[in-house]
Amino acid sequence: AQKITQTQPGMFVQEKEAVTLDCTYDTSDPSYGLFWYKQPSSGEMIFLIYQGSYDQQNATEGRYSLNFQKARKSANLVISASQLGDSAMYFCAMREGQGNTGFQKLVFGTGTRLLVSP
Amino acid sequence: GAVVSQHPSWVICKSGTSVKIECRSLDFQATTMFWYRQFPKQSLMLMATSNEGSKATYEQGVEKDKFLINHASLTLSTLTVTSAHPEDSSFYICSARRPGTSSGQPQHFGDGTRLSIL
Repeated sequence: AQKITQTQPGMFVQEKEAVTLDCTYDTSDPSYGLFWYKQPSSGEMIFLIYQGSYDQQNATEGRYSLNFQKARKSANLVISASQLGDSAMYFCAMREGQGNTGFQKLVFGTGTRLLVSP
Repeated sequence: GAVVSQHPSWVICKSGTSVKIECRSLDFQATTMFWYRQFPKQSLMLMATSNEGSKATYEQGVEKDKFLINHASLTLSTLTVTSAHPEDSSFYICSARRPGTSSGQPQHFGDGTRLSIL
């Protein structure tokens, strides 16, 4: 079964508007972490935001916020005030397990391509 | 600035050639690094976990003899695509995570290597 599901292959948004990118996940581990990465056309992976399964508050980082609904197993990314430079692929990823060890694998979703228009 | 460096960024070579890709952690020691493969318009798929001083752990379906991983030092892991063929053409990207940090710390990715086999 898919561990991470991103159902939106592509999304359009006008500049300065907000957009929500969907992500649902599947795990039986009570401890997990959810990450969002941005991948521009150049290919590098840029970390955006993190939500831990035990975090009480929804994560926020500048214009990025994570709408974490644990019971629904969803972790949607909200980008406020979209900018032209936000046009890219966005990947949701999950890490299972906890601890400070460095060897924790990430499982990625299939991604959503966001296009911001003027 | 970048914390993980990957080299080369682009390789074009003839079929049958072996290609080595380097991944370096720049300001921390990484006992574990990860190698991913990404086909066009697809997600990142974990190929293997590179462990310093020991054998790499390969994901199911990844040929160990085809994709040789060497993690000889705490700051360098190499992926060698042996006897490469056109079907090995892909985007290869490595990542590492600072050890001893909180579970919310992200993996840092290199800029990736675009491999094209003619």
